[in-house]
Amino acid sequence: DTEVTQTPKHLVMGMTNKKSLKCEQHMGHRAMYWYKQKAKKPPELMFVYSYEKLSINESVPSRFSPECPNSSLLNLHLHALQPEDSALYLCASSQDRARISTDTQYFGPGTRLTVL
Amino acid sequence: GENVEQHPSTLSVQEGDSAVIKCTYSDSASNYFPWYKQELGKGPQLIIDIRSNVGEKKDQRIAVTLNKTAKHFSLHITETQPEDSAVYFCAAIGGGGGYQKVTFGTGTKLQVIP
Repeated sequence: DTEVTQTPKHLVMGMTNKKSLKCEQHMGHRAMYWYKQKAKKPPELMFVYSYEKLSINESVPSRFSPECPNSSLLNLHLHALQPEDSALYLCASSQDRARISTDTQYFGPGTRLTVL
Repeated sequence: GENVEQHPSTLSVQEGDSAVIKCTYSDSASNYFPWYKQELGKGPQLIIDIRSNVGEKKDQRIAVTLNKTAKHFSLHITETQPEDSAVYFCAAIGGGGGYQKVTFGTGTKLQVIP
């Protein structure tokens, strides 16, 4: 089973709202990722968690706050977003054997976020 | 950092024909090259990958070739079917110490005409 699940599928929020995106995998993977994808563009890395610790933050604004409660779950908390933050937010996971970054990443279906 | 170029940006083929997508990368330390297929409204799905110690890999109608000297790799889809229509992304991952992020190509929109 190579499934990564994400909820919700779609989210519409105002600029003053607080919301969260959720990601889950049960493959025993120890690395999890958040990506942002704008239309007709490749995914852009936002955050990497390795063994539940934040290992990479690609200079993402603080209005995006990641959280990794355990090895199977990854959240992205959203607050005071801007309309330009509207995008498809993708979660991915990989085995991260001995912290090797060349493990295959498996993506979830994404959350389509619209900020009004 | 790594830079990946991907061509063509769009590709239309007749059903049954072959499709070829090419990528070049800049970092000679890159050693892992996955290909992802993304259908409309879905996340990228890994379809095939290749590591730098291998020159070619095949999985049914899909094959990938890697030329490390020239720093380019290609995706070949034979006997294309309408369900192959999607956006395809190549990617490269560096082999340096520590975590190396995935660098994606700009994507190729493949349309298979029935």
